[in-house]
Amino acid sequence: EAGVAQSPRYKIIEKRQSVAFWCNPISGHATLYWYQQILGQGPKLLIQFQNNGVVDDSQLPKDRFSAERLKGVDSTLKIQPAKLEDSAVYLCASSLGDRAGEQFFGPGTRLTVL
Amino acid sequence: AQSVTQLGSHVSVSEGALVLLRCNYSSSVPPYLFWYVQYPNQGLQLLLKYTSAATLVKGINGFEAEFKKSETSFHLTKPSAHMSDAAEYFCAVTPPGGSYIPTFGRGTSLIVHP
Repeated sequence: EAGVAQSPRYKIIEKRQSVAFWCNPISGHATLYWYQQILGQGPKLLIQFQNNGVVDDSQLPKDRFSAERLKGVDSTLKIQPAKLEDSAVYLCASSLGDRAGEQFFGPGTRLTVL
Repeated sequence: AQSVTQLGSHVSVSEGALVLLRCNYSSSVPPYLFWYVQYPNQGLQLLLKYTSAATLVKGINGFEAEFKKSETSFHLTKPSAHMSDAAEYFCAVTPPGGSYIPTFGRGTSLIVHP
């Protein structure tokens, strides 16, 4: 079974530039999550999709971050414009949708904003 | 609102010694509880989970955790540490009802000495 795929693995940009991350979840998984993991901290949920609808985006900085999940499968997370404090690892995870179920994580995208 | 506290950002043990990683949660009702492990430059992987069945949960790689409602704890243990156990460990909770948002602790780095 293929796991959660993310690209790119690494990205370095200047502040005020734009960047986009891509995630392909495990086939059949209804729920998709985007997390921000700052060095030395646990993952912080940015947005949660159920199929192609948003379940929660209360911690997404909507003035600069946006995310979409077209056709309930792949998802993209965009930052425009980036700030220095956005430097982090962005993790994508998917699950079948049961709140007691396991989340399967991708390898993450490490973003450095200079 | 739910929260997770992991006591000790770093735990150091000798190979063969007992591993104990602490997790306490704050929730109005017992939540679903998870332990994840993260190896360098990788995503998180589920070790074990508690979903209101048996209070002693066995996971992969010889780890187990015990849910103690009176202490609001879900500590992770392993009788004998192995060098390959060196990694970052995260405790997470999901509420059994209402909001679906998972919350992660800050993580504990396990260091294993030969």
